[in-house]
Amino acid sequence: QMTQSPSSLSASVGDRVTITCRSSHNINTNLNWYQQKPGKAPKLLIFAASSLQSGVPSRFSGDGFGTDFTLAISSLQPEDFATYYCQQSFNTPVTFGPGTRLEIK
Amino acid sequence: QVQLQESGPGVVKPSETLSLTCSVSDGSISGYYWSWIRQPPGKGLEWIGFIHYSGTTDYNPSLKGRVTISLDTSSNRFSLKLRGLTAADTAVYYCARRQSQYQLLSYYYVMDVWGQGTSVTVSS
Repeated sequence: QMTQSPSSLSASVGDRVTITCRSSHNINTNLNWYQQKPGKAPKLLIFAASSLQSGVPSRFSGDGFGTDFTLAISSLQPEDFATYYCQQSFNTPVTFGPGTRLEIK
Repeated sequence: QVQLQESGPGVVKPSETLSLTCSVSDGSISGYYWSWIRQPPGKGLEWIGFIHYSGTTDYNPSLKGRVTISLDTSSNRFSLKLRGLTAADTAVYYCARRQSQYQLLSYYYVMDVWGQGTSVTVSS
């Protein structure tokens, strides 16, 4: 089971934000992060806990190992306001966190 | 760049079977896993299952044996059948490519290409 905190977050353009994801069991670094905008499919941002997917801006970064993980956005841009999901790829069934909605303050 | 496109009925009656197809273009279905994921209105993402191009499948146990995913390599498509529909199956259904990416001496599975999603409503 995956949990995320906070469930929602208000921030301003230029802010640095951090989202936390926790797994109920050890998943090493088998953790991915996705961004989803309203009416769109999820987009892969980070895989293997900390590796940036090709084409994703470097202001996104991931960290963590085992059960605790973070996604950070160093300087929020207007296009970053979206919902973020973590997902474990350690085993099946594949599971997603409940999501963190990032809103403009 | 490979593209995925879901197709199927927008409305299905309770107790009936949902059939969806995902067409793969600008790339081959061979060599990869192909997934289905759904998202009920206003809620999070739920993995349904995947199929390997060899035909091996894996499904979410939460769907209690109602799911079948199949592959048609000759037409570069894969399909989802979900039986015994209820209102709880109302969702946007996405297809996605699952592939392994190599990093730091290990392989990691990601869903890196997604279709745009198709909305399915279960209603009489």
